Amino acid sequence: DTGVSQDPRHKITKRGQNVTFRCDPISEHNRLYWYRQTLGQGPEFLTYFQNEAQLEKSRLLSDRFSAERPKGSFSTLEIQRTEQGDSAMYLCASSPGQGNTEAFFGQGTRLTVV
Amino acid sequence: QKEVEQDPGPLSVPEGAIVSLNCTYSNSAFQYFMWYRQYSRKGPELLMYTYSSGNKEDGRFTAQVDKSSKYISLFIRDSQPSDSATYLCAMSLSSGSARQLTFGSGTQLTVLP
Repeated sequence: DTGVSQDPRHKITKRGQNVTFRCDPISEHNRLYWYRQTLGQGPEFLTYFQNEAQLEKSRLLSDRFSAERPKGSFSTLEIQRTEQGDSAMYLCASSPGQGNTEAFFGQGTRLTVV
Repeated sequence: QKEVEQDPGPLSVPEGAIVSLNCTYSNSAFQYFMWYRQYSRKGPELLMYTYSSGNKEDGRFTAQVDKSSKYISLFIRDSQPSDSATYLCAMSLSSGSARQLTFGSGTQLTVLP
């Protein structure tokens, strides 16, 4: 499968616990994005990497959130001290690079904080 | 007011109907326009991608962009039950390296057999 892959697909956690999600982009795509989608809404931008550099972060990304892309390939998104308001679908997308803005999404990780 | 407005529906049509989905936006700097289809509990799937104003056709799908009116449309001809999904419009700016997408809230479409 050459699409964007996300793991896990579902995660249920207790409030206050830390969670980490993984995204494997389409190979050779140097741009990687994280979005969050709540029920009945479109995805909202969280952060963006070009290769291993995190170039932009949304105001939505509080200091409990951290994202990494250590070798410019896969990426992780960690949420510390989860809150019920963090319950959402976390989507990863990748795109080829400069001049091409088509973004391809993974299936998402659905987080439920209880 | 949101940057991108999209009627959430729900929209229900009979099989074979022509479907029209629309978005309006406020930021005139948007240059790239996309339509995504999202099935329940799945990630968005890219359907159409256009740059600036004009029309683009791909099979049963036609995307239109009218930058002067800040209005984009997606038309689906000969709609099928398998087209039942949420349709998201998305757009991005003309400059800057990020090119992150700003989405509408989605229109839920049901095509009845």
